[in-house]
Amino acid sequence: QQQVKQSPQSLIVQKGGIPIINCAYENTAFDYFPWYQQFPGKGPALLIAIRPDVSEKKEGRFTISFNKSAKQFSLHIMDSQPGDSATYFCAASRYGGGADGLTFGKGTHLIIQP
Amino acid sequence: DSGVTQTPKHLITATGQRVTLRCSPRSGDLSVYWYQQSLDQGLQFLIQYYNGEERAKGNILERFSAQQFPDLHSELNLSSLELGDSALYFCASSVTPGTEAFFGQGTRLTVV
Repeated sequence: QQQVKQSPQSLIVQKGGIPIINCAYENTAFDYFPWYQQFPGKGPALLIAIRPDVSEKKEGRFTISFNKSAKQFSLHIMDSQPGDSATYFCAASRYGGGADGLTFGKGTHLIIQP
Repeated sequence: DSGVTQTPKHLITATGQRVTLRCSPRSGDLSVYWYQQSLDQGLQFLIQYYNGEERAKGNILERFSAQQFPDLHSELNLSSLELGDSALYFCASSVTPGTEAFFGQGTRLTVV
């Protein structure tokens, strides 16, 4: 059973565009929703995270939108750059933070074209 | 560089064999996590240790075991290996459970 569904699998956006990656979850006990960025040959790195008591969080060019009633959350990347090309994973946990028992989406391979 | 060191980087072994993957957490981190990344299953949580004690278990097979030593490094032991165990195995560490975790570069295991 896939508890966190992520879409799209791959995405190509022109430089300066706003890629949007979506995730949906099933378990209402989840209380922590991070996004990770992974470059080839590297481990995942925490990008930004949100808890269900807020509907939006911004850190630099990255924004998470969270819809608790729909059990959905998404990542927006403003003014995207070729250096943002990577695989992005959404995740969810019911343990409040960190890497405790994270359930990951399948990932989105993002390419930002110059 | 996350500060988490995993060895070896690559490992090729035959079915039925046993291997040990090693993880050195960032200095000062007490919590260690193991994750498996495969093409079909994606990233899956295996197990977590905190200050030497097992804290949480995920989708870890009975053929797999792990431990965290007094110096806080951790080892993941995989036995009776099958072709389907071929994957990237990541270790992550954090100061305490619930705080930001940093992933190592992974060990790529290939079972032939």
